[in-house]
Amino acid sequence: GNSVTQMEGPVTLSEEAFLTINCTYTATGYPSLFWYVQYPGEGLQLLLKATKADDKGSNKGFEATYRKETTSFHLEKGSVQVSDSAVYFCALRNNAGNMLTFGGGTRLMVKP
Amino acid sequence: IAGITQAPTSQILAAGRRMTLRCTQDMRHNAMYWYRQDLGLGLRLIHYSNTAGTTGKGEVPDGYSVSRANTDDFPLTLASAVPSQTSVYFCASSETSGSRTDTQYFGPGTRLTVL
Repeated sequence: GNSVTQMEGPVTLSEEAFLTINCTYTATGYPSLFWYVQYPGEGLQLLLKATKADDKGSNKGFEATYRKETTSFHLEKGSVQVSDSAVYFCALRNNAGNMLTFGGGTRLMVKP
Repeated sequence: IAGITQAPTSQILAAGRRMTLRCTQDMRHNAMYWYRQDLGLGLRLIHYSNTAGTTGKGEVPDGYSVSRANTDDFPLTLASAVPSQTSVYFCASSETSGSRTDTQYFGPGTRLTVL
């Protein structure tokens, strides 16, 4: 079956530090990969996505590259801000369509 | 555009009571979903609907039922709540159901506590 594994948090960084949140997956076929962000007290928002191997998704300074050879989709940002403090979820959706399979989430805390 | 609205925002419920969580979308999306979010487990799919009039079971459907009488509404019912159903519930929608590239959009969530 499908599964997504994320690094456990919380991840605590100082403002302007470099961020990496690791995500690896197991899936049949050729899934699409997503990063969602959940700010405190809110629902999930799509941050970025990639639909095929070697695609790079990017948004708001975040980026992630679909690596089929390593089954990974690591999230990176060159300089984090306090406003980036949130929980980040990696997810996949395969050719079967309906279900998004989520990782357990990684809480990021950015200190001024 | 409101997107997806959910009600109530939060609820405390006695075990054994019946509860319906409401979800409405104004994007005219064909597909809708219910997820539950539990710490460390991410989100897990409860039920889904590919289009009005059809529903299907997700990963954790036991104890829950849904209906899809029209495009906009997708209520989730707990017939007899149990403490293990304490969770945060998210409704989501996507334009279609069969495309792996479609984005799912999420509502703000309902925090449910069953005592």
